[in-house]
Amino acid sequence: AAGVIQSPRHLIKEKRETATLKCYPIPRHDTVYWYQQGPGQDPQFLISFYEKMQSDKGSIPDRFSAQQFSDYHSELNMSSLELGDSALYFCASSFTLNTEAFFGQGTRLTVV
Amino acid sequence: AQKVTQAQTEISVVEKEDVTLDCVYETRDTTYYLFWYKQPPSGELVFLIRRNSFDEQNEISGRYSWNFQKSTSSFNFTITASQVVDSAVYFCALSGRNNNAGNMLTFGGGTRLMVKP
Repeated sequence: AAGVIQSPRHLIKEKRETATLKCYPIPRHDTVYWYQQGPGQDPQFLISFYEKMQSDKGSIPDRFSAQQFSDYHSELNMSSLELGDSALYFCASSFTLNTEAFFGQGTRLTVV
Repeated sequence: AQKVTQAQTEISVVEKEDVTLDCVYETRDTTYYLFWYKQPPSGELVFLIRRNSFDEQNEISGRYSWNFQKSTSSFNFTITASQVVDSAVYFCALSGRNNNAGNMLTFGGGTRLMVKP
């Protein structure tokens, strides 16, 4: 069965650079969630989209923005990267807001 | 505010032992979901179970079983006859339904399970 696809799987950026992470949800899923997991930490909710509209916002820095496109894929844009942004970024998708979400394999971002 | 506590940060067992991972949660929502996820060394988050707050039936799936007790706000996870492949970090998570972000998960700190041969 098709799963959530995240790209790239690994990304190395320098401080103050920008990064764009992409997420392709499971077909027919209309809801996307972004989570950030720092080293040795639990995943923290960043932001979610339902039917291309932002549905909720968590602890997402102002330097980050995200959107969901007409084909339901989502992109997380990160600017002015800091060392502390180094983390595993997960995208999850679900069909509507209240069914179980399935996670992608994550994008490991390293800021040097 | 929601909170999930996994008091055991690390557990080490020998293969074939049974092991229980504890999870205690706090929420003001009357309807909510509880989850367990497995995160192996490769890093992905593998969905194990979702439980509705109205369903207190215990569930068994192969060597895995879950004990949900609303009275003590606990959702414990037991692995029977553990295997080396069970070595991973296990996260308990909670989402409320009294808002539109049904899957906005609050995770516990995780329990690292090491199963030794």
